Amino acid sequence: SAVISQKPSRDICQRGTSLTIQCQVDSQVTMMFWYRQQPGQSLTLIATANQGSEATYESGFVIDKFPISRPNLTFSTLTVSNMSPEDSSIYLCSGESQENTEAFFGQGTRLTVV
Amino acid sequence: DAKTTQPNSMESNEEEPVHLPCNHSTISGTDYIHWYRQLPSQGPEYVIHGLTSNVNNRMASLAIAEDRKSSTLILHRATLRDAAVYYCILRDRLNYGGATNKLIFGTGTLLAVQP
Repeated sequence: SAVISQKPSRDICQRGTSLTIQCQVDSQVTMMFWYRQQPGQSLTLIATANQGSEATYESGFVIDKFPISRPNLTFSTLTVSNMSPEDSSIYLCSGESQENTEAFFGQGTRLTVV
Repeated sequence: DAKTTQPNSMESNEEEPVHLPCNHSTISGTDYIHWYRQLPSQGPEYVIHGLTSNVNNRMASLAIAEDRKSSTLILHRATLRDAAVYYCILRDRLNYGGATNKLIFGTGTLLAVQP
């Protein structure tokens, strides 16, 4: 199994600013993903964080708004840029290994934009 | 992409069995059936997965129909801690890292457990 830690756990930010969320895994994982979960909704996949290359974004999400880094097999960051109140949401990181059949999730970062 | 259909919500009484259904009529031969659950204010957690045969683990059992077009997650004795949203998800394990292997969440079933 893997334990995924996210920082910060919550934040309140001013519109127009940016926030970087960190995701640390306690073991190497092949795949890492970033999700968004708006209040009362299911999870929506933002992108796959690829080690050493640009992230792969899902439809409706772009790199300029959600730049992602993944410098190694245990760490990734998601930045929410030029925030607006519509970006208020929970952002979750997940990781999984090719050998495993289950994905592990962080507790999420609750972002409020005012 | 093969999709799943689940009831929006279900209720159960504590210490009784719960059967959570999932329909996946367009499932492909290489799709595994995965179940995750999300407890309040937490990230999702893996519950169980299977391909064709019924599966058991310490958390639950997964019963898969013979034609694989539906499955049922069984919680043998519901506890208050099992109150969560349960997601049934198809994943193509032969396409690891590909578009059809990503963990895509539907709306899930909100399970309420009454004491």
